[in-house]
Amino acid sequence: ETGVTQTPRHLVMGMTNKKSLKCEQHLGHNAMYWYKQSAKKPLELMFVYSLEERVENNSVPSRFSPECPNSSHLFLHLHTLQPEDSALYLCASSQELNNEQFFGPGTRLTVL
Amino acid sequence: SQKIEQNSEALNIQEGKTATLTCNYTNYSPAYLQWYRQDPGRGPVFLLLIRENEKEKRKERLKVTFDTTLKQSLFHITASQPADSATYLCALEDTGGFKTIFGAGTRLFVKA
Repeated sequence: ETGVTQTPRHLVMGMTNKKSLKCEQHLGHNAMYWYKQSAKKPLELMFVYSLEERVENNSVPSRFSPECPNSSHLFLHLHTLQPEDSALYLCASSQELNNEQFFGPGTRLTVL
Repeated sequence: SQKIEQNSEALNIQEGKTATLTCNYTNYSPAYLQWYRQDPGRGPVFLLLIRENEKEKRKERLKVTFDTTLKQSLFHITASQPADSATYLCALEDTGGFKTIFGAGTRLFVKA
């Protein structure tokens, strides 16, 4: 257990669906991150939040919408996704920006 | 922005031997470099962080070196065990300092 939980662990959705991924950290960290990991590719940073303020939006399509209501919770809202968005979505947290990161187990997303 | 190169070919070694993995970067030398371990279908787990003014860092059977002249870090696992089999990711800060970028990782197989 890393202290970072993600739900759901698996998600299958159609291209017209709307769903949300949830991340919660129990470590008292100030920074939280969303990453996308596709097969055989490096982790791709999507969003970074520091003290609940978004500090990085890495040219992510608008069909992905993050939300950070407080320093312990991070959401990724999904709508009208494409099959190429199928991947493992990982949440992470760190004490401060660019400290070592603690990752959740990920959500395996399949878009049909 | 930074580019990270890790050997994409899997590394196969015999139990008890030392595994050496390489991480090369292309642009400016970062203030620090991190190594993570990732098992299939799970999030990465932080292992070690080495700063630019440190030549070497150790933790149990792990050793990391950081050569800013060669723009390279080496990650060693001594007395390797089958349980060390995993993908090992190198990570460092990107331009602007807001984000950490990850290499694609090197898959290590340790045979009994």
